[in-house]
Amino acid sequence: GIQVEQSPPDLILQEGANSTLRCNFSDSVNNLQWFHQNPWGQLINLFYIPSGTKQNGRLSATTVATERYSLLYISSSQTTDSGVYFCAVGTGPDSWGKFQFGAGTQVVVTP
Amino acid sequence: GAVVSQHPSRVICKSGTSVKIECRSLDFQATTMFWYRQFPKQSLMLMATSNEGSKATYEQGVEKDKFLINHASLTLSTLTVTSAHPEDSSFYICSARPTAAYEQYFGPGTRLTVT
Repeated sequence: GIQVEQSPPDLILQEGANSTLRCNFSDSVNNLQWFHQNPWGQLINLFYIPSGTKQNGRLSATTVATERYSLLYISSSQTTDSGVYFCAVGTGPDSWGKFQFGAGTQVVVTP
Repeated sequence: GAVVSQHPSRVICKSGTSVKIECRSLDFQATTMFWYRQFPKQSLMLMATSNEGSKATYEQGVEKDKFLINHASLTLSTLTVTSAHPEDSSFYICSARPTAAYEQYFGPGTRLTVT
């Protein structure tokens, strides 16, 4: 099956700092989503981005499908950005869109 | 839009009993729903894919007789953990995929503790 690797595994940031999270995947994908899991366990959709670039406020994401990676940018980080960020990819029309999740990046933003 | 609910949010049960968890898409129809399991400090692991009106497809290593899935309508899927044991204690999360789309939306999760 497809392999999904996220880096770094852990990230400690001072409030106001910028950061880049990376997601590498081993095969072609037809779906890629970034999520933020908050301390209560809820996964919050950040981006649906199988290719291209999107921005939403302080967050933006870029997926280069031909090179099999995606980047999530967090600018001017705030303490509420703390949590685990997951990249999940889906492959093949016969897979019903099911996901393979990466291991996640644990982000801690300190005041 | 695109809200998915789960009920209950937290359940404690005794070993040997069965527990049912509901997953509902509140404002869209979902031909396909997915059930995941997450252990502390770990990623999500897909357990099964549930398609409305047909049998669920289970991932390798997931016992279909222990984790019964029913997707009776386009807005509701249920996961029943039968004869639960302490090792079934975990955080169970569902997601729903709108018809004709690939993006998934996740429920808030159900924390199951088996004593």
